[in-house]
Amino acid sequence: GDQVEQSPSALSLHEGTGSALRCNFTTTMRAVQWFQQNSRGSLINLFYLASGTKENGRLKSTFNSKESYSTLHIRDAQLEDSGTYFCAAEVLNNNAPRFGAGTKLSVKP
Amino acid sequence: NSKVIQTPRYLVKGQGQKAKMRCIPEKGHPVVFWYQQNKNNEFKFLINFQNQEVLQQIDMTEKRFSAECPSNSPCSLEIQSSEAGDSALYLCASKQGNTEVFFGKGTRLTVV
Repeated sequence: GDQVEQSPSALSLHEGTGSALRCNFTTTMRAVQWFQQNSRGSLINLFYLASGTKENGRLKSTFNSKESYSTLHIRDAQLEDSGTYFCAAEVLNNNAPRFGAGTKLSVKP
Repeated sequence: NSKVIQTPRYLVKGQGQKAKMRCIPEKGHPVVFWYQQNKNNEFKFLINFQNQEVLQQIDMTEKRFSAECPSNSPCSLEIQSSEAGDSALYLCASKQGNTEVFFGKGTRLTVV
């Protein structure tokens, strides 16, 4: 069955507001990555975590391996944050990361 | 931030034609992945390599898909006889070890 459950599938935010995206895992994952995919299809690396929390500007991500989830928090959303966000998690090293279904984020003025 | 190079960016083939796409992983990255992303944005893992050796692959019993990563040459993914359902974005990625994966910009295949 699906090992990476991502929610929500779509999210609409006004500029300046924030929200959280979540991925739940149905098996123990070794590491998780978060990507933003732009309208041209390019995947931009946001975070790579084996545990704990990382922050970069207006984005913050947490990975809790024991409780099998990861979150991506966006604050002070900007128009350029629009796109589709994916989490991808690895079971074992060199195994192919398994992707969530994505969250389509629309940021409105 | 990625240095993975995929060519061509766009590929249009007729049904039954061969479609070949290439990927140059980042220098020093021995692990290479190929994914297919369909129009619903779903990612499907196809195959991965460590150096020239296949690590994992999906059941390609259709035998229409083949891939290789020869030494000193780009990696490649080839569809022997394209079908309409193969239309998708094909993404190549590489990584060094216990590190993050970097993706190329993809090859968007349209089978007409």
